[in-house]
Amino acid sequence: QVQLQQSGPGLVKPSQTLSLTCAISGDSVSSNRAAWNWIRQSPSRGLEWLGRTYYRSKWYTYYAVSVKSRMIIKADTSKNQFSLQVNSVTPEDTAVYYCARGFDGAIDQWGQGTLVTVSS
Amino acid sequence: QSVLTQPPSASGTPGQKIAISCSGSSSNIGSDNVNWYQQLPGRAPKLLIYRNDQRPSGVPDRFSGSKSGTSASLAISGLQSEDESYYFCAAWDGSLNGWVFGGGTKLTVL
Repeated sequence: QVQLQQSGPGLVKPSQTLSLTCAISGDSVSSNRAAWNWIRQSPSRGLEWLGRTYYRSKWYTYYAVSVKSRMIIKADTSKNQFSLQVNSVTPEDTAVYYCARGFDGAIDQWGQGTLVTVSS
Repeated sequence: QSVLTQPPSASGTPGQKIAISCSGSSSNIGSDNVNWYQQLPGRAPKLLIYRNDQRPSGVPDRFSGSKSGTSASLAISGLQSEDESYYFCAAWDGSLNGWVFGGGTKLTVL
């Protein structure tokens, strides 16, 4: 049974950096079959895919065009987890952030979600 | 604006069969599989249908999916009060090189 456990602050000040971590159990971040995604959800923008990282003999990382310049997704094989960093946040980055596993053509497992509010 | 288009709401009475549509384009639904999710308020989405019409283990066979061209549909038969929830569709978009989602449909069981 794959489980994803998110951690990170729920309040970030404007212009600062948002950092979230997703710990994986029941699978490996280095799996040759899975991809590790970050997705956010807000009332104004709905569900928005942010990016993913995966290992296929080497690491690949891709980002949504709309956020590419401000975002970093990294895998930590020693801790079996992956992380999201969003730089220079604004109130428009306020959302529930989810980590999720992509497997066999679907996003099949989701973390519990973290409400991140950008406010001073 | 969501890339995939869903009706914002749907409703039915217990025992009834309803369908929720999801419309996309040639770069997403037209060229890849569609997945459906159920999301209760304050909870993470749960995979309901994958690869257009496949159910993960544990999902009742009252839930079914179909796809034709650039559109897909989720059907729920024998509607129950616990089916009252949000439902949304998702597909991989080859042009955007990422996952795209529908705006979600709120199902009310009257």
